[in-house]
Parts: sequence; structure tokens; C-alpha cells
Amino acid sequence: NAGVMQNPRHLVRRRGQEARLRCSPMKGHSHVYWYRQLPEEGLKFMVYLQKENIIDESGMPKERFSAEFPKEGPSILRIQQVVRGDSAAYFCASSLLAGGTDTQYFGPGTRLTVL
Amino acid sequence: GDSVTQMEGPVTLSEEAFLTINCTYTATGYPSLFWYVQYPGEGLQLLLKATKADDKGSNKGFEATYRKETTSFHLEKGSVQVSDSAVYFCALSDITGNQFYFGTGTSLTVIP
Repeated sequence: NAGVMQNPRHLVRRRGQEARLRCSPMKGHSHVYWYRQLPEEGLKFMVYLQKENIIDESGMPKERFSAEFPKEGPSILRIQQVVRGDSAAYFCASSLLAGGTDTQYFGPGTRLTVL
Repeated sequence: GDSVTQMEGPVTLSEEAFLTINCTYTATGYPSLFWYVQYPGEGLQLLLKATKADDKGSNKGFEATYRKETTSFHLEKGSVQVSDSAVYFCALSDITGNQFYFGTGTSLTVIP
């Protein structure tokens, strides 16, 4: 059973470009979470999605960031008009169940560098 | 709001030394508690978890006990190995289950 897949693993963008990060959850998981890890810091929650629905986006910046998890295909985290401060590692996690006791399984991350 | 406070690193130990990484939390209700490990260039891997008070999570020689009275979940290992060198994150899952709150991570280096 494949784990959580993320691509690309590394992404370089110039200021003002768009970044698209993809996440395929573990097979059978319908709950997806996105986190951002800034250098020398822990992970910060961004958004929680179920299929076709955003459940909690309290950690998402109000502008330029969006996320989706369509019925078919991977979850996408989109960052428009990137700035240098967006440089970070973005991790996706998935879980089988909702609720606090279930484990979140993490992907290897996408490391975004904004030049 | 919910939060996790983790012992700051970096921590450097000799092989076979005893390890403790402190973690305390603030949360509404009874969260689930987790330890994750991150090796260089990789994502986080679940190390162990505990879902209710007095539960002990254990894996690969690591263990942590959910202490409600002290709101703590300290990670311990009796004899560390070089291969344990990594960053360790304490985390809690809030009562909604919507998100995890992570500590800032503790970097551990084990020298032969």
C-alpha cells in the first residue's frame, strides 16, 4: 500500500509566478491536511479537506492561497503570485477517519524555493 | 487555544545514553498525543501515540506516557543509537480532529 505521495519534491519559482503542489493520499483515505514548515520551525496547519469539501481552512493565508480536493485526482495546494516568504516545505497528510484519535500519515513534502 | 511546548534543542548524546525530550500541552478536553520523527530531507513519520490519559505509547525502544495531571507527554529511550539522529516533534490532535498542533521540534544528534 503506497504511502502519501507528493509532487514535485522540489519546486523553484520566481516571484509573481504560480506554484501548484499535488498530494495523493493513501489508498482509502478521504481526509487530507496541508501543513507548512518554515526553516527552523515546526509544522503549521493550513487546511483540512475531505473529498470536494474544505472543512477547516483556519490556517490558510487569506490571499493568494487556495486548496482543493476534487472527487477524482489529487489534492492541490495553489499559491498565486508567490513571494520569497512563501519559501518553505509544504507537507500533506492523510487519514482514514476524521476525528482526533486517528493517525495522520505524512508525505515526503514539497520544498518550494522562491527566487 | 491548543498548543504544544517542546524542549528546545539541539540535543547531542553519546551512543547508548538515556534520552528524554520534554513535551507539555495545553488543550481543551482530552486530545490525542503523538510523537513524530523527521529524518533529513524526509517527511514526518509517526513514532508513537496515546489517545487517553495514562496510555503509554511505545515503538522502536521509544516510549511516552500520557499524563493528564501534568499535561505532559515526554519522550524517552533507554539507549540511543546513531540511527536515532533526527528531529522529533510532539503533536496533539484537537477535539475536533481537524488539525494537529506541533511543537517546534527537537533536533537530536547521537555520536558514536
